[in-house]
Amino acid sequence: QKEVEQDPGPLSVPEGAIVSLNCTYSNSAFQYFMWYRQYSRKGPELLMYTYSSGNKEDGRFTAQVDKSSKYISLFIRDSQPSDSATYLCAMSYDYKLSFGAGTTVTVRA
Amino acid sequence: SQTIHQWPATLVQPVGSPLSLECTVEGTSNPNLYWYRQAAGRGLQLLFYSVGIGQISSEVPQNLSASRPQDRQFILSSKKLLLSDSGFYLCAWSGSLMNTEAFFGQGTRLTVV
Repeated sequence: QKEVEQDPGPLSVPEGAIVSLNCTYSNSAFQYFMWYRQYSRKGPELLMYTYSSGNKEDGRFTAQVDKSSKYISLFIRDSQPSDSATYLCAMSYDYKLSFGAGTTVTVRA
Repeated sequence: SQTIHQWPATLVQPVGSPLSLECTVEGTSNPNLYWYRQAAGRGLQLLFYSVGIGQISSEVPQNLSASRPQDRQFILSSKKLLLSDSGFYLCAWSGSLMNTEAFFGQGTRLTVV
């Protein structure tokens, strides 16, 4: 069993829709949770990070963590074509970061 | 501000040839440094991480090795490349504390032919 499982997608949504991305994890030692965005042939770019259960908002992005269920989510409101990318969840403990396989999102104009 | 440099961006190497990828970080001291590999359509696989000069931890048995000769320099090497070494290699850094977010370089796309 992988430490981090991410819904594989791909997702295709119309412009303006809400995008919902999810990951589950098995290791309760994970303490820090992150979401990255990766454009084709580029390095991942940090979008959001949190270490507590609950919601964290940043503009159109909301990160949600439920440690009791070992489940994290990222919501993108009012999605734009420029949001088309691969989104990776990541979790860390003890210097090590583990990543989900990524979900490719396409926002159609 | 902190920046991370990784080069080259693209590399085509024959099977059996050596490899050296370099990564440097500016604007921070004593960072944690990481090498990841990303296969097509797959997530990031942690290869090596380092919490200090000369301190290297290997996550997966590989045909690869890593070295950290200076505080902000991380090198990924191989003596003889295999076809299976092809992939997208990413260097990343994080703060010296545990459990902090990581920042990535732009990656090296390695094709072994």
